[in-house]
Parts: sequence; structure tokens; C-alpha cells
Amino acid sequence: GEDVEQSLFLSVREGDSSVINCTYTDSSSTYLYWYKQEPGAGLQLLTYIFSNMDMKQDQRLTVLLNKKDKHLSLRIADTQTGDSAIYFCAGQWGSQGNLIFGKGTKLSVKP
Amino acid sequence: EPEVTQTPSHQVTQMGQEVILRCVPISNHLYFYWYRQILGQKVEFLVSFYNNEISEKSEIFDDQFSVERPDGSNFTLKIRSTKLEDSAMYFCASRGDYGYTFGSGTRLTVV
Repeated sequence: GEDVEQSLFLSVREGDSSVINCTYTDSSSTYLYWYKQEPGAGLQLLTYIFSNMDMKQDQRLTVLLNKKDKHLSLRIADTQTGDSAIYFCAGQWGSQGNLIFGKGTKLSVKP
Repeated sequence: EPEVTQTPSHQVTQMGQEVILRCVPISNHLYFYWYRQILGQKVEFLVSFYNNEISEKSEIFDDQFSVERPDGSNFTLKIRSTKLEDSAMYFCASRGDYGYTFGSGTRLTVV
């Protein structure tokens, strides 16, 4: 079945760029999402990309999709301490569009 | 901006008790979902609901679980006889034309 994998941890310095990577098994996804979860909080939608797109930019966020390698990445430019959180990659498959989540990448931003 | 509202934010219950988690989805959305996240693990799909019936459910969603849309606004998840392993964050989501919106979750602790 469908699966989504992410590395578990990423540590960067404030002001640097962060790149969070995600791979998925099934190339027939329709949408791919990035969610942010701060401690004790819910899932905040950051951005999403249609599977027929290669790139999407939204202010400090850039999403790159490589369908051949089934690889999705989220780049955060000029990372701030407020960006420290867990970032989840999720794919939408199936007729009802249920989301399949990765385990999440914990981003730590050092001052 | 429209929100998905979940209540309560925290619930502590004794093993074997019934709990009802409540959600108010976005009013013009037609698809509703429950997901759960056991501490430190992936966000997992439980059930999807459309047109007043379950459209898909996961293996986790056994006979102890049920969902209901008792009126035009609420969407509830009932766990009939809670077990220790039901302790998790439960997220409600609704889906419209522009993707999913998640609530901030209910943290359920079974003692």
C-alpha cells in the first residue's frame, strides 16, 4: 500500500535554509501536503502541491516534487526560531482522498 | 478564516468508559474525517464520512468506534469502551475544494 517516509530530525542555525525531505511509494497521488505541528497543537496546513506540478513557491516556502524519484521536499528560507516544529509530509490517494502521513521531521532552529 | 472546532481539548477517562469526541467541521465541506496520533507516532487515518455514512475506515476503526453526524453541524467520534492504547491525540478534519482543514485536536488520556 501507500507509504510516506521522512527523516526524523533536522537541526539548522537561524537564518539558514532548511530542507525537509519526504519520499512516497505510490506515484498515483493527487495532492501532496506539508503540515506543521507545534508542541501540543494541531496540524497547520503550510502548503500543498498538485501531482502535475514540479514546484510551488509561497513566500519563504518552496516545495519541489520529483515524480520520477517519488521525492518531495520543503525548503524554508531564512529559518527562524519560530519555525521550530514537527513537519509532516502527507499524500492524498484513493477515491475518497484519505491522507497518508509520514512520521514527521522535527526541525530545531538554533539561535 | 473558517476553522474546524474540536471539543474538549483534553479528556481524561477511566478504562472501560465511553467517550464522545466532538467536532464542528467547516459548514460548506462535505467530507469529514477522524485521524489519531499516538504520542511520537504517525498521524493515522481512522474513518471518512460522506453523505451521512461511513465511506472508508481503517483497521483501527473496529466495533468499539462509531461516528455520527447528529445534526447539520456536529460530527462525533464515540469510543464505546476505552482501552489504555486508545490514548492519543484525535484530529477531526473536513475537506472542501481547497483540501483538508484540521482541528486542533482532542488529547485523550485513558487511565
